[in-house]
Amino acid sequence: DAKTTQPNSMESNEEEPVHLPCNHSTISGTDYIHWYRQLPSQGPEYVIHGLTSNVNNRMASLAIAEDRKSSTLILHRATLRDAAVYYCILRDSFYGSSNTGKLIFGQGTTLQVKP
Amino acid sequence: ETGVTQSPTHLIKTRGQQVTLRCSSQSGHNTVSWYQQALGQGPQFIFQYYREEENGRGNFPPRFSGLQFPNYSSELNVNALELDDSALYLCASSLAPEGEKLFFGSGTQLSVL
Repeated sequence: DAKTTQPNSMESNEEEPVHLPCNHSTISGTDYIHWYRQLPSQGPEYVIHGLTSNVNNRMASLAIAEDRKSSTLILHRATLRDAAVYYCILRDSFYGSSNTGKLIFGQGTTLQVKP
Repeated sequence: ETGVTQSPTHLIKTRGQQVTLRCSSQSGHNTVSWYQQALGQGPQFIFQYYREEENGRGNFPPRFSGLQFPNYSSELNVNALELDDSALYLCASSLAPEGEKLFFGSGTQLSVL
């Protein structure tokens, strides 16, 4: 299973942008890059995913390096509610793969947001 | 809120006992996955059910078993509980096994004494 590497923790000030990095040097051609976050006392929540091109949605943006060996989750204006553990996950998109549907979570990055 | 509900929210058992955890998937979702999350760790995949059959399994022993019902709700059963089974058990549903997004419930916190 392809693995990801993230910093253990990061800090941000409220209303400032946050860039959460992720390295995935062993990514395969059929792996999508997914981000989930887990707020205290809750289950993980889908944030965004992408394959090759940068992606935007109402929650965040995902910037993917040209060689796909790294990516960055961007929160444009951090709020106190964004304090969570953020997980970068590679997910095999190949239909019929034994890994389909299986998310492999690492330790994630704990984001603290200061008022 | 995701629409995925789990019960009970908390449970205390003793070593050697058996436990059943329940999950109702989001409306329209036919696939359910179960994850175990130990304190301070990321969730670990246990198994996935699609159309009432196991459709993928992680590195968990056979005493972890599951069921999916025709209405796509699911159960996780753990036999012969061990102290290390103490964890948060998360259920996630999706539109299909290869569905892009998983929607997680808030979990069942199991303590084994």
